[in-house]
Amino acid sequence: SQTIHQWPATLVQPVGSPLSLECTVEGTSNPNLYWYRQAAGRGLQLLFYSIGIDQISSEVPQNLSASRPQDRQFILSSKKLLLSDSGFYLCAWNVDWAYEQYFGPGTRLTVT
Amino acid sequence: KQEVTQIPAALSVPEGENLVLNCSFTDSAIYNLQWFRQDPGKGLTSLLLIQSSQREQTSGRLNASLDKSSGRSTLYIAASQPGDSATYLCAASRGGNQFYFGTGTSLTVIP
Repeated sequence: SQTIHQWPATLVQPVGSPLSLECTVEGTSNPNLYWYRQAAGRGLQLLFYSIGIDQISSEVPQNLSASRPQDRQFILSSKKLLLSDSGFYLCAWNVDWAYEQYFGPGTRLTVT
Repeated sequence: KQEVTQIPAALSVPEGENLVLNCSFTDSAIYNLQWFRQDPGKGLTSLLLIQSSQREQTSGRLNASLDKSSGRSTLYIAASQPGDSATYLCAASRGGNQFYFGTGTSLTVIP
């Protein structure tokens, strides 16, 4: 069966510090991968999606970036965090955009 | 741009009651509609996916329907239980990795 992992589970970082969040999927090949952010009281915002290694699409201009160095690994990064980057970051995958999305457990990021 | 709305934002019902959660979307040109459950501090759990060619999907006590012409989807929960307490989100897809989420309905089932 397929499993999706995210780490760390929680993170507290000062403003201006770098960020690296990791997501890995097991049990499937060539998945579509997604990064979402969920802010308090707001819906999920799609940040990036990837249909293959080194193929990243950005949905929202921001100081975040994403990379996919391996087929089942998706990384969300920032060089300098802003207070507004605080939120719950969720990674998701599906076999094709037409099919169900499956989500990871999320990372709670607090920027202080 | 697709707008997805879920009303009410919060709902409290006694155990055993049947209930309906609503999801409205502005653009009827959707490819599919997916319902999720989210427990506090957790990721989303997929409940049901309805393709645009389908009208409904069922899983256990859950039934989801889709009416593209009216821009609505409903999630019906039969015989609610305290374990059903969670936030329920819907997401509409227009294809091409474009997914639009509602802000969710927070459900509390009172024992």
